[in-house]
Amino acid sequence: QVQLQESGPGLVKPSETLSLTCTVSGGSISRYYWSWIRQTPGKGLEWIGYIYYSGSTNYNPSLKSRVTISVDTSKNQFSLELSSVTAADTAVYYCAKATSGYWYFDLWGRGTLVTVSS
Amino acid sequence: DIQMTQSPSSLSASVGDRVTITCRASQSISSYLNWYQQEPGKAPKLLIYAASSLQSGVPSRFSGSGSGTDFTLTISGLQAEDFATYYCQQSYSTPRLTFGGGTKVEIK
Repeated sequence: QVQLQESGPGLVKPSETLSLTCTVSGGSISRYYWSWIRQTPGKGLEWIGYIYYSGSTNYNPSLKSRVTISVDTSKNQFSLELSSVTAADTAVYYCAKATSGYWYFDLWGRGTLVTVSS
Repeated sequence: DIQMTQSPSSLSASVGDRVTITCRASQSISSYLNWYQQEPGKAPKLLIYAASSLQSGVPSRFSGSGSGTDFTLTISGLQAEDFATYYCQQSYSTPRLTFGGGTKVEIK
């Protein structure tokens, strides 16, 4: 069955760019929407944005100025870049498959902890 | 943004109990409400979408109801594996998708 796996640095310095990749295995990335969601003890679950396999995107307005989500269909991967990070961006980051219409997340990666610290 | 308020924030229950969790939206969201279960150290898992549709593979003891601003998740006959944190999520106001603060179900 389809599985998602996040990868990337677990430690990022303040003011730098956080970069994560989600690899989709067991199925094609095409024809679906793919999302990034993060979780912190303080703010709970926060949706970051999504990308369609064609490349069209939609972002959380509160993060839009710092977020870029991209897709590489040849590698069956999609990626997250979050610029100018601060300690407030320390979180567990999840990639997830989204279903449009009622916009629910029906498949999640295991999550990866990213700490922002010097 | 639409605010999602869950109650209670935590509850204690015994195996076999009927448990009800409430999610209230700050404005009407029709049936654009989804529910997730999260076990400690794991990713959330989709239980219910569109307020009352059971996700494939989810046991039938889970059910969802409501529309507009008030929604409930009911677990009929709590099992040991159901002790977890439950979250609601609204999808009425894309791209401003938001989650509730969570309800932790603990063993009594």
